[in-house]
Amino acid sequence: GAGVSQSPSNKVTEKGKDVELRCDPISGHTALYWYRQSLGQGLEFLIYFQGNSAPDKSGLPSDRFSAERTGGSVSTLTIQRTQQEDSAVYLCASSSSPPETQYFGPGTRLLVL
Amino acid sequence: GIQVEQSPPDLILQEGANSTLRCNFSDSVNNLQWFHQNPWGQLINLFYIPSGTKQNGRLSATTVATERYSLLYISSSQTTDSGVYFCAPRAAGNKLTFGGGTRVLVKP
Repeated sequence: GAGVSQSPSNKVTEKGKDVELRCDPISGHTALYWYRQSLGQGLEFLIYFQGNSAPDKSGLPSDRFSAERTGGSVSTLTIQRTQQEDSAVYLCASSSSPPETQYFGPGTRLLVL
Repeated sequence: GIQVEQSPPDLILQEGANSTLRCNFSDSVNNLQWFHQNPWGQLINLFYIPSGTKQNGRLSATTVATERYSLLYISSSQTTDSGVYFCAPRAAGNKLTFGGGTRVLVKP
């Protein structure tokens, strides 16, 4: 597609529920990244995919967070047993082979009640 | 990991004014991007600038990698320039590390 797309745009969930966030990167981009933006922590890196592999998962805050990428394209970020501190905007970016420009999607705004 | 500091944290401008935003970083970098986050939260690429100077319309950026800083210049500011500007260098690995941002408000 023309840009990175993410779904849903907004998600409200109850504490303890699982959520899945989806990212469709720019067509042909081999690298995909997840970041999150929260009031207290600013913009922080979560995980990086090259193809379907995740060589850098160093930013995932706990084992409740996981991500996968299939077919070298779509990625899903899953948060299990959500907590209120997981409330944030989750941003996806993609690039051609690093270190090229990363292009960001519009984000998914997650609110955990 | 790399530390990124942006200054000033807040900037109020009268429409038509010029300004300079600064980004200091603590380590050698492989690339650096500047972004504008608009009021709807979208991060818009402004520059990919690991070194040297680039210009795009009223905006220009300079990165002096050897001295570990980058500057973003806004000339003849417009109200549409309002928002938050982020600097994000990439050091080791492939992730971008974001600064705290400079919040810009351009008044008509």
